[in-house]
Parts: sequence; structure tokens; C-alpha cells
Amino acid sequence: QQQVKQSPQSLIVQKGGISIINCAYENTAFDYFPWYQQFPGKGPALLIAIRPDVSEKKEGRFTISFNKSAKQFSLHIMDSQPGDSATYFCAASKDSGAGSYQLTFGKGTKLSVIP
Amino acid sequence: DAGVTQSPTHLIKTRGQQVTLRCSPKSGHDTVSWYQQALGQGPQFIFQYYEEEERQRGNFPDRFSGHQFPNYSSELNVNALLLGDSALYLCASSLGDRVTQYFGPGTRLTVL
Repeated sequence: QQQVKQSPQSLIVQKGGISIINCAYENTAFDYFPWYQQFPGKGPALLIAIRPDVSEKKEGRFTISFNKSAKQFSLHIMDSQPGDSATYFCAASKDSGAGSYQLTFGKGTKLSVIP
Repeated sequence: DAGVTQSPTHLIKTRGQQVTLRCSPKSGHDTVSWYQQALGQGPQFIFQYYEEEERQRGNFPDRFSGHQFPNYSSELNVNALLLGDSALYLCASSLGDRVTQYFGPGTRLTVL
């Protein structure tokens, strides 16, 4: 059972354009939703994260939009640059007891930003 | 400020062998989680260690075991390796009951 569904699988965007990646979750107990960026041969790097009590969070060119009723959240990358070309993962987490959190990841979106 | 470090970077083993991977958490962090990332997939949670105890475990067989040392560093052991164990193994660290996890560069394990 895939608890976090991510789309699209791959995305090609022109330099300066907006990249949009979507995720949907099933478990309403999830209460923390991070996005990670991963370059080939590297570990995932935390980009931005949101809690369900807010509908939007912006950090620089990166924005998370969150729709609690639809159980969906998305990452928007404004003014996309070739250096943004990477694989992006959405994830979700909940407290499993005693302050223990595990991340459940989507399958990833490979973003290519072309000049 | 050192981030999460992992060793070795790459490892090649044959089926049936055993392997040990190592992780040092980010400075000030006391919790270590391990994830397996198959090629083209998102990371999957293996287990989490806190105060030298396994606090939570994902859907992985008992062939996967771990340990946390008093200095918070951790080891992941995999016994009786299978071809399907070939993957990037990621270590993530966090602080106590804080939810934010920071990942290391991973260890690429190839099982032949």
C-alpha cells in the first residue's frame, strides 16, 4: 500500500518557468510534510517542510501549498534554473509514539530544467 | 559543523555474505534512522535508534539489524545478503523527538 503518491514521475521545464510537483496522502494521522532534493550519487537534502495547520509556506523560490481536506500538497519552484535539475521527493511523517517519527516517501519526480 | 557522515561510500558483496554499514549523526543529534533506497525509488524506512535502543522498525526482515553506540553513532548490519538488497543505504539523524531528519550521502551496496 503506497501511502504517499507523487506525480509526475518526470518533468521538463524551461529555464525561468515554474515547476510543479504534486503529492497525495492517505493517512490522516500524518502531520509533517517535507520535501527533499536529491542529486545523483548524493543523499536527500531537506528543502522545505510544512505542518497541516497552514495552507502555504514559502522559502525563497520554493513554495509548498497544502490542502488538508483533499489530502494533497504540492511543491512549486519559481524561476526554475538548470541547477534545480534533480530528483524531488515528497514525504510524510507522524508521531508513532514516544516522539518517534519515520518518513514515508513518494516515488520521486525527476526534474530537468532546460536552458 | 559536520553533517551526517557514512562509511564506506561503496561496497560490493556476494550473495550470502554479511555487511556492516556505519553512520555518524550530525553534531548535537542523538537519533539515527536508516533507510533503503532502491534504484529509481524513494527511501524506505528500516529502523530508528534512540538511546541505544531500536525505537521503531519498518517492514524489513530480521536479517537487518542495527546498533547505536554511546556516542550516538550507529551501525546497520545485513546478514545473508540477497541480490535484492542492492541499494543505496541512507542514514538520517535528528534530535530527540524532533521530526526533522537530515540525511547522509549514503552507502551504495551492490550484491553480486
